[in-house]
Amino acid sequence: AQKITQTQPGMFVQEKEAVTLDCTYDTSDPSYGLFWYKQPSSGEMIFLIYQGSYDQQNATEGRYSLNFQKARKSANLVISASQLGDSAMYFCAMREGKGDNAGKSTFGDGTTLTVKP
Amino acid sequence: DADVTQTPRNRITKTGKRIMLECSQTKGHDRMYWYRQDPGLGLQLIYYSFDVKDINKGEISDGYSVSRQAQAKFSLSLESAIPNQTALYFCATSDHLRGVPNTGELFFGEGSRLTVL
Repeated sequence: AQKITQTQPGMFVQEKEAVTLDCTYDTSDPSYGLFWYKQPSSGEMIFLIYQGSYDQQNATEGRYSLNFQKARKSANLVISASQLGDSAMYFCAMREGKGDNAGKSTFGDGTTLTVKP
Repeated sequence: DADVTQTPRNRITKTGKRIMLECSQTKGHDRMYWYRQDPGLGLQLIYYSFDVKDINKGEISDGYSVSRQAQAKFSLSLESAIPNQTALYFCATSDHLRGVPNTGELFFGEGSRLTVL
């Protein structure tokens, strides 16, 4: 069974600084996808970034980058130049690619990020 | 208009009542999912459907049932609501992994907040 671990229940960062949110995963499937989603206090889920298990380079989307270390099974989210609007809950998720679990996503428990002015 | 629409957005009900949460999508995706989020926690998969004739249980299906009325519609029912089903419920869709580079990203509705008294 796949599992996602986010070990930081809460994080603080100063505005304009960078922050790293940790995520480790466990799967026996060689084909999988890793995602980060943002959930502001309003409750909606916003897709941020995706990394495929076979992608050679780390994914980047604007101020978001995913530090993918496959051998360590980690997929940390790096947010550069934090803004007040980045304050939210962040979820790491994994989608397995094959077999009976193909297409289903499993979520971690999330990290609440607070950006301080 | 939202691509994934959930109704109702908020509902307060009493123990023992039957509740239906509805989801419709205009994205043309085959796959639809119902997730539950308890306060401060991640999302847990209740049921999922990969096409109109396919229904599968997720991690926490007890006490829930679903109906996939059409490709665009996927409803979740609580046959006899209980207080520990108080949660935020999300419907989501994803595109089918057809072997082309699509990620399986989840597209979420805005959530249905259910309170069972």
